[in-house]
Amino acid sequence: AQSVTQLGSHVSVSEGALVLLRCNYSSSVPPYLFWYVQYPNQGLQLLLKYTSAATLVKGINGFEAEFKKSETSFHLTKPSAHMSDAAEYFCAVSKGETSYDKVIFGPGTSLSVIP
Amino acid sequence: DVKVTQSSRYLVKRTGEKVFLECVQDMDHENMFWYRQDPGLGLRLIYFSYDVKMKEKGDIPEGYSVSREKKERFSLILESASTNQTSMYLCASSLAGGLKTQYFGPGTRLLVL
Repeated sequence: AQSVTQLGSHVSVSEGALVLLRCNYSSSVPPYLFWYVQYPNQGLQLLLKYTSAATLVKGINGFEAEFKKSETSFHLTKPSAHMSDAAEYFCAVSKGETSYDKVIFGPGTSLSVIP
Repeated sequence: DVKVTQSSRYLVKRTGEKVFLECVQDMDHENMFWYRQDPGLGLRLIYFSYDVKMKEKGDIPEGYSVSREKKERFSLILESASTNQTSMYLCASSLAGGLKTQYFGPGTRLLVL
């Protein structure tokens, strides 16, 4: 069975500091991995996804994530935090085998940015 | 731009009431999904549909049913609402095929008293 863990339900960073949100997965098959962001009072929006083409994936708003098979990790980073990055972030995994891809979401990490 | 809309942003219902949550997408997507979102649990799939009149159970279908009579519309029904169904409900849609991005609506926050 697939699962996702996100270390830290809440992360605070100063504006301009590095953002690091951790995600580890377990999967019996090569996984496909996603990061979604949810701004206050909104639905989820795709930040980036890993589909085995390249281990370093660049997404929107300056975020990127690196797939590390040996560590079963897919951590999300951004070099310099902005106030507008304050949101809930969800890591997710899928097998990608069928026409409908069941996506398993992690519990989420709430990011606060301190001025 | 893909647009997924949900009929209500906030809803207050009483225990035992029948509740309808509506979702509409405007991009001709084949797949539609209903999730519930609870703090610390992330999103859990309730039901999904891959075509008109077709539905599949997700991880937590108990107490819910769905209806998809038209391609653009996917309804979630709580037959007899209970307090443990107080939650945020998110609808999403995607194209058919592998690894297609899911597009989410803004969510409906349901409170069952």
